[in-house]
Amino acid sequence: SQQGEEDPQALSIQEGENATMNCSYKTSINNLQWYRQNSGRGLVHLILIRSNEREKHSGRLRVTLDTSKKSSSLLITASRAADTASYFCATDTGANSKLTFGKGITLSVRP
Amino acid sequence: DVKVTQSSRYLVKRTGEKVFLECVQDMDHENMFWYRQDPGLGLRLIYFSYDVKMKEKGDIPEGYSVSREKKERFSLILESASTNQTSMYLCASSLSVRGSYNEQFFGPGTRLTVL
Repeated sequence: SQQGEEDPQALSIQEGENATMNCSYKTSINNLQWYRQNSGRGLVHLILIRSNEREKHSGRLRVTLDTSKKSSSLLITASRAADTASYFCATDTGANSKLTFGKGITLSVRP
Repeated sequence: DVKVTQSSRYLVKRTGEKVFLECVQDMDHENMFWYRQDPGLGLRLIYFSYDVKMKEKGDIPEGYSVSREKKERFSLILESASTNQTSMYLCASSLSVRGSYNEQFFGPGTRLTVL
């Protein structure tokens, strides 16, 4: 069952621009995580935001969480060609350490 | 750094064959997971395990079984491979930390083709 739904499905931007990706979910969560997947590889954890947090930063990444709207956004500032990848949000409802992943957003950063 | 390894990057099998996908993690994680990833469907959980010899069904367990005889190793078994099991298979592990921080670490994936 899909909990997180990312939006848009695909995003193409110029190097140096900011990329904003959104995730909506359906049920209450303990935390929400964002992962990156380079083509044909495994996923890599980027950032986690807890349900009692509203904003978090890590380098060029900024994630926000609005539990009233059941949504999160991931902002990548000053994008680079190396940021080209698929990005997934994953929700933790606190049940047995499982995560439920969305279908992913394909980000292309043009040099 | 946590390292999760999978036995093969690419695998080609024939319909009806028994297939073993192996996953090993080196950070003493309690939890291990098997997902399959298909275009347009994202990651779907097949099975997971919280401890040695423990297993729980995920969202799509049909046609699969698992084995966890040692803490570091989690095997996915396709008893009789079918063409609709052609997919990318991803293994992951995480610490058993309830409700707070349960980042998952992924292996590189195995792309399985069933002919």
